Amino acid sequence: EVQLVESGGGLVQPGGSLRLSCAASGFTFSSYEMNWVRQAPGKGLEWVSYISSSGSTIYYADSVKGRFTISRDNAKNSLYLQMNSLRAEDTAVYYCGRFGELGDAFDIWGQGTMVTVSS
Amino acid sequence: QSVLTQPPSASGTPGQRVTISCSGSSSNIGSNTVNWYQQLPGTAPKLLIYSNNQRPSGVPDRFSGSKSGTSASLAISGLQSEDEADYYCAAWDDSLNGSWVFGGGTKLTVL
Repeated sequence: EVQLVESGGGLVQPGGSLRLSCAASGFTFSSYEMNWVRQAPGKGLEWVSYISSSGSTIYYADSVKGRFTISRDNAKNSLYLQMNSLRAEDTAVYYCGRFGELGDAFDIWGQGTMVTVSS
Repeated sequence: QSVLTQPPSASGTPGQRVTISCSGSSSNIGSNTVNWYQQLPGTAPKLLIYSNNQRPSGVPDRFSGSKSGTSASLAISGLQSEDEADYYCAAWDDSLNGSWVFGGGTKLTVL
């Protein structure tokens, strides 16, 4: 079964750091581009970051540029999001999503992990 | 304020046909394909339509998508109670450094 499972969310104080992980299974992870998308409580979806299959190309949303770092370990079938200098407005459910199998769409999503930034 | 504009809500009765609009600009919908996602309550989003009008395997043909100029639409025919969900359009935006942009979402209620 094709699956993505996020982990690493939790409660963190403003200015703090957190590292999210996304474990992939059921497909050849190293062949796929990946993304992080977040959803603040009661709000819509917001794209956060993209990484190519090799990790050589990376994009960030302006809202997280300079604070978040996306990376991947193809040997471990894992995607990561290092989040630093966290702000209250970063509070959201963070989803990882597979990209590129069907057009330019995110065709497989994880169940999400909640990040709460609060003192 | 989302880059793509959707109505916040839509509704219909079982069996009806409903459409959800998504308005953008030349830098996103006008020059790139549109995807639609369905998010059932308390769950992760699911890809519903890709490349404007293509359905992934397993998505019923009651769901269809279209695009014209800088706007797109999602149509749901033969509305069912299980279609009650939030629906989001999305597209790549070529402006600045480029990014994926989403609509604000449309909450569909089946009356």
